[in-house]
Amino acid sequence: GAGVSQTPSNKVTEKGKYVELRCDPISGHTALYWYRQSLGQGPEFLIYFQGTGAADDSGLPNDRFFAVRPEGSVSTLKIQRTERGDSAVYLCASSLLAGAAAGELFFGEGSRLTVL
Amino acid sequence: QKEVEQDPGPLSVPEGAIVSLNCTYSNSAFQYFMWYRQYSRKGPELLMYTYSSGNKEDGRFTAQVDKSSKYISLFIRDSQPSDSATYLCAMRSAGGTSYGKLTFGQGTILTVHP
Repeated sequence: GAGVSQTPSNKVTEKGKYVELRCDPISGHTALYWYRQSLGQGPEFLIYFQGTGAADDSGLPNDRFFAVRPEGSVSTLKIQRTERGDSAVYLCASSLLAGAAAGELFFGEGSRLTVL
Repeated sequence: QKEVEQDPGPLSVPEGAIVSLNCTYSNSAFQYFMWYRQYSRKGPELLMYTYSSGNKEDGRFTAQVDKSSKYISLFIRDSQPSDSATYLCAMRSAGGTSYGKLTFGQGTILTVHP
C-alpha cells in the first residue's frame, strides 16, 4: 500500500497480558515514529527510529514499553504486563529524513488498544 | 502546566464562516510550528507548517506564528462541511535528535454545518 500500515487496527486484552503492535512504514522512508493518543488528547511522543536504531526513546513511559526495528523497515511496539492506563490509540508515522525537518510525518490510522 | 495549550472546543460554525483556531506554548525553544487535521478514527495529516515567526497562506488556510507572545493561529476561510475534524497544533525545537519529537496540543473539534 501507499500509506503507513498498522496492525492490528483493534486489540482488546486483559490486564497483565503482553501485546505487540506492528507498523509498516511508507516504502523508502528511513525515519519511523511511535506516538500514543488517549481519548480527547493530542498524540504524545513515545520513540523515534532513524534506520534500525532508536534516535530518541525519551517518551517511553516505563520499562514495560519497548520498540524494535531490526531491519530498518517494519517496527514492533511491545508492551509487557499491560495496565488499564495503557488503553489508547497507538499511532505510527514515517518520514523521509529531509521531510522530518519540516514536520512532514505521515501517520497511519493507529492501533486501538483496550486493556480490560 | 502543559507545554502546549489548545482549547478543545467544540467549535460549531455555519458553512462559509471564517474559523480561527489557536494555541499557546511555554517552551521558547520551539522553532517549527505545524497544524494537523485529524478525521474521526484516522491518523493526523499535515496541513501547514511554519518556521519561526510569520504568516503562511495555502488556499483557504493561513497559519500565523507570534513567537514573542508564544501564540500560533490557523485561520480557515470559507469553511466547508468537509473541514469538520479535529485540528491539532504541533511544534518542535530545532537540531539534535528532535526531528520526530513533536509536542501536540489537545486538539480542537470543529464542526461546519451546512
